[in-house]
Amino acid sequence: QQQVKQSPQSLIVQKGGISIINCAYENTAFDYFPWYQQFPGKGPALLIAIRPDVSEKKEGRFTISFNKSAKQFSLHIMDSQPGDSATYFCAASSYKAAGNKLTFGGGTRVLVKP
Amino acid sequence: NAGVMQNPRHLVRRRGQEARLRCSPMKGHSHVYWYRQLPEEGLKFMVYLQKENIIDESGMPKERFSAEFPKEGPSILRIQQVVRGDSAAYFCASSSDMDSIGYGYTFGSGTRLTVV
Repeated sequence: QQQVKQSPQSLIVQKGGISIINCAYENTAFDYFPWYQQFPGKGPALLIAIRPDVSEKKEGRFTISFNKSAKQFSLHIMDSQPGDSATYFCAASSYKAAGNKLTFGGGTRVLVKP
Repeated sequence: NAGVMQNPRHLVRRRGQEARLRCSPMKGHSHVYWYRQLPEEGLKFMVYLQKENIIDESGMPKERFSAEFPKEGPSILRIQQVVRGDSAAYFCASSSDMDSIGYGYTFGSGTRLTVV
């Protein structure tokens, strides 16, 4: 199974709050899990990524938590700002697969209210 | 160093016409990927190419769609006899040999195809 399921579809958070987006996968061959941020009219931009040999990775206000046994991973946006309002996509791929093809989740539209 | 360049940004075609979407990868990148994004959905992989070779076309529809990445010039995604269901945003991404082993790649801003 190549599917990656992402929730929620949309999220409204107050400025300074925490945004949490969850993803679940089925293919145990996946070993690279990036998150992309997309603004309207733009292409996705790599935000942060994790490999299954670590359970957490933090870059600034963005943290990925990874649970290999549950096949789940999540993005936490701390101290959310209006400029974080965008659509966020989780994705997964397999290091061993030719070409690093990404399988994307359905996306979460985040709105940060001032 | 310019990013991944896609053109046109917007393309309107009538049903039955051909659409040609162009992608110039980042300098030094020899791997190109095409993805399609339907409204309110995530991106779906279409095809992966290296110079002059199609490596993985498992996401390409069997008919009307083709892709190439010639030795010289941009990668082209070609859609023949377009139908309304082809209306979507088409994104190209590129990577270097190092990136292709799992460190992510860079997307262009996309071509938004509208079929009327």
